[in-house]
Amino acid sequence: AQSVTQLDSHVSVSEGTPVLLRCNYSSSYSPSLFWYVQHPNKGLQLLLKYTSAATLVKGINGFEAEFKKSETSFHLTKPSAHMSDAAEYFCVVSSYTGGFKTIFGAGTRLFVKA
Amino acid sequence: DAGVTQSPTHLIKTRGQQVTLRCSPKSGHDTVSWYQQALGQGPQFIFQYYEEEERQRGNFPDRFSGHQFPNYSSELNVNALLLGDSALYLCASSFGTGMNTEAFFGQGTRLTVV
Repeated sequence: AQSVTQLDSHVSVSEGTPVLLRCNYSSSYSPSLFWYVQHPNKGLQLLLKYTSAATLVKGINGFEAEFKKSETSFHLTKPSAHMSDAAEYFCVVSSYTGGFKTIFGAGTRLFVKA
Repeated sequence: DAGVTQSPTHLIKTRGQQVTLRCSPKSGHDTVSWYQQALGQGPQFIFQYYEEEERQRGNFPDRFSGHQFPNYSSELNVNALLLGDSALYLCASSFGTGMNTEAFFGQGTRLTVV
């Protein structure tokens, strides 16, 4: 079975402080993992992806994520939050499990306080 | 480059009616996937079209059908609309069907069933 769990529905940080958005996954086969961001009234945008190469993945806008197979986690981090980071973030797992399957997490809403 | 464009942006239909949503992929892309995003939830995969054929399908009933045209654009049709079909419908395009492929999303069509 394949699933993805975003552990926090809402995260609130102050501008300039670190961001941590947590994601755990379950997959019977080697998955590809993605983080997407959704700003209000805008389409989903890819932040970064893991495809079995380097376990530390760097993305756009200073975000990065580390693939930890032993913990089945793919947490998203950023050293210093900016007001423009306020948005909904989705962790996505994709693999061939009885057919191609792409599953989105429920999302984490990031609030950034001035 | 116009990116992925979807039409219409908003739509209101009555229960039992039929609806058609349209998607034009990003230039150079040949694969179109459709997702349903209910309020407060992550997108759920409906199906994927490549070479004018449905290649993969999620857990959606046969009321949901689609089509891809020779110019790679796509339509999503939903018959016998239910109140529960109210959602944001997202179209994503990519080059190829691999699970590592980055998908580009449109801004979606907001469907309200009354």
